[in-house]
Amino acid sequence: NAGVTQTPKFQVLKTGQSMTLQCAQDMNHEYMSWYRQDPGMGLRLIHYSVGAGITDQGEVPNGYNVSRSTTEDFPLRLLSAAPSQTSVYFCASRRYRDSRETQYFGPGTRLLVL
Amino acid sequence: GEDVEQSLFLSVREGDSSVINCTYTDSSSTYLYWYKQEPGAGLQLLTYIFSNMDMKQDQRLTVLLNKKDKHLSLRIADTQTGDSAIYFCAALSSGTYKYIFGTGTRLKVLA
Repeated sequence: NAGVTQTPKFQVLKTGQSMTLQCAQDMNHEYMSWYRQDPGMGLRLIHYSVGAGITDQGEVPNGYNVSRSTTEDFPLRLLSAAPSQTSVYFCASRRYRDSRETQYFGPGTRLLVL
Repeated sequence: GEDVEQSLFLSVREGDSSVINCTYTDSSSTYLYWYKQEPGAGLQLLTYIFSNMDMKQDQRLTVLLNKKDKHLSLRIADTQTGDSAIYFCAALSSGTYKYIFGTGTRLKVLA
C-alpha cells in the first residue's frame, strides 16, 4: 500500500489563479478529509467526505471546492487563489471498523500564493 | 465553538518521562486522539481513547482522560531524542466527522 499520496509537494500561485491539489489513497478508506495547517493554529478542517459522492464542509470551507467521484481520490480545488490561502495542506483518510480506528495523513502540499 | 488547547512547548531530558497536556471544551467528544508530527512530514496517529475510558497504555505511551475536567494527557516514558516532534491533541464530537485539533505542543528532548 502506498498509503495517502498528495501532489504536488510544493506550488507557487499568483493571486487569482486556480489549481487542484490531488489526494489519493489505496486503502479503501471511506472517510477522507482536507486540512490546512497555519503557524500557531493547529490543523483546521476544510472539507471532508464519508464516501464516494458525499462531501461536506468543515471549519474553513470558503474558497475551496471538493468532489469525491471514487473512493480513492479526493481532490481539493482552489477556484481563485488568495494570499490568505498560503498554507500547508494535508489530506487524510480514516477507517473505523470493529471498534478499531486507522488513520493516515499524506505528506502535505506547501502552497504559496503571491 | 469547540476548542482544544495545549501548551506550546515542553523540554525534557533524555530518559525522563514527558507529560503533554490538553484540555477540550466539547463534552460530547467521543474520541480523543494524540498525533505526532516530525519536521516536514504529515501527522502520524499515535493513539486514541474512547470517552468512556480513563486510561489507555500502549508500550511507552500512556493516555489519561479526566472527563469531568475535560483534560487529556499523554505520558511518554523513557523519552528519547527521536521523540522530539510536535504533538497534537484532537477531539471528535459525537455524531460528526469533524475533528478539532489543538495548536500542538513542541517537545524537545535534550541529550
